[in-house]
This record gives sequence, structure tokens and C-alpha cells, in this order.
Amino acid sequence: AQSVTQLGSHVSVSEGALVLLRCNYSSSVPPYLFWYVQYPNQGLQLLLKYTSAATLVKGINGFEAEFKKSETSFHLTKPSAHMSDAAEYFCAVSEDFGNEKLTFGTGTRLTIIP
Amino acid sequence: EAQVTQNPRYLITVTGKKLTVTCSQNMNHEYMSWYRQDPGLGLRQIYYSMNVEVTDKGDVPEGYKVSRKEKRNFPLILESPSPNQTSLYFCASSWDNYNEQFFGPGTRLTVL
Repeated sequence: AQSVTQLGSHVSVSEGALVLLRCNYSSSVPPYLFWYVQYPNQGLQLLLKYTSAATLVKGINGFEAEFKKSETSFHLTKPSAHMSDAAEYFCAVSEDFGNEKLTFGTGTRLTIIP
Repeated sequence: EAQVTQNPRYLITVTGKKLTVTCSQNMNHEYMSWYRQDPGLGLRQIYYSMNVEVTDKGDVPEGYKVSRKEKRNFPLILESPSPNQTSLYFCASSWDNYNEQFFGPGTRLTVL
């Protein structure tokens, strides 16, 4: 069964500092991996996705994530945090071959310190 | 405008009173799903549908029903709501499970 673990339910970084949000997954087949962002009182929107092409995936707003099969990880990074990055971030995994469920992690709330 | 709509946006009800939350998308997507969002638990998929008349259980289907009679609509039915179903519910649609999910605005449900 697929699963996602997000380490750190709350992360705080200073404006201009590196953002690193961690995601580890479990999947019995090659996975599809996603990062979504949720701003206060809104639905989720896609930041980026991995679907077995390049292992380094670039997304919107300067975010990127690297798929590391050996570590079963898909960590999200951004070189320089901006105040507008404050939000909750969710990692998600899906499979194929008859299991089309989409499983989300528990989320990481990112706070940016001025 | 491409969108997913949900109604109602807010609902307060009592235990045992059947309710339906509607979801509609205008993007001709085949994959639709329902999630509930609870603090500390993230989003959990309730049911999903790969196409018309094809539905399947997600991770937390107990106490919920769905139907997919038309491609654009995917209502969520609570036959006998209970307080532990108090939550924020999101409907989403996409071409399939490995493409971007488009989320509705959410329905905040309170069951007393």
C-alpha cells in the first residue's frame, strides 16, 4: 500500500533563507509524486509533479523537488524564501496498475520570519 | 472559466439527517474524487471515480456514498451523518490520477 510521510508539521525559515520540506513515500510500484500548496482559506493548487521523467522537477514560484529512488524521497526546496511562501504544503503519491488512489501526507505549515 | 464547484460551502446539520454535497466540473475530466481535511491528518481520499459509473473506495470511505451518473457531477452523500464526520471537504477533478488535481473551494460541514 502506498503512503507518504512528511517530517515536520511546522517549519519556520527566515525570509531569504533556504526552504526544505521533507517527503518520504512508500510504493510497491514506480510512483507518481506531487507537491501541492494550500494558502489560507483556499483549496489546493499544484506546485510540481514527478511522473518518471527527469528526477529534478521544477515547479511554480521557484520551487523544485528531486526524486531519489534509493532514499524513497521527494523533498521540496526553494533557494530563497519569500513572505508569500507562507502556506501549508502537501506531498502526495499515486500509483497505477489498478490502484488509482491518491494519498496525501499530513502537511507541513511553512512560516516565514521577516 | 475552468472550475470545480461545490455546494453548499457551509453546512451545519444534526446527527442522522441525510445530506448531499454536490460537486461539478466543467473541464470534461474523467477522474473525480472527494477528500476530507482534518487538522494534523492532512487530506484523506474518501472515494474516487475513474469515469462514469466507475467508483472506488479511497482511504476513508466508511459512512459515505458517491455516484457518477454523469461525467461532470460527483455528489457526496452522507446517509446518516455523525459528529466524527465534521470536517472540511474538497472535491477535485483531473484527467487521471497522475495529472494535476483541480480542487473545489471546499465545504465546511458541522454535524451536531
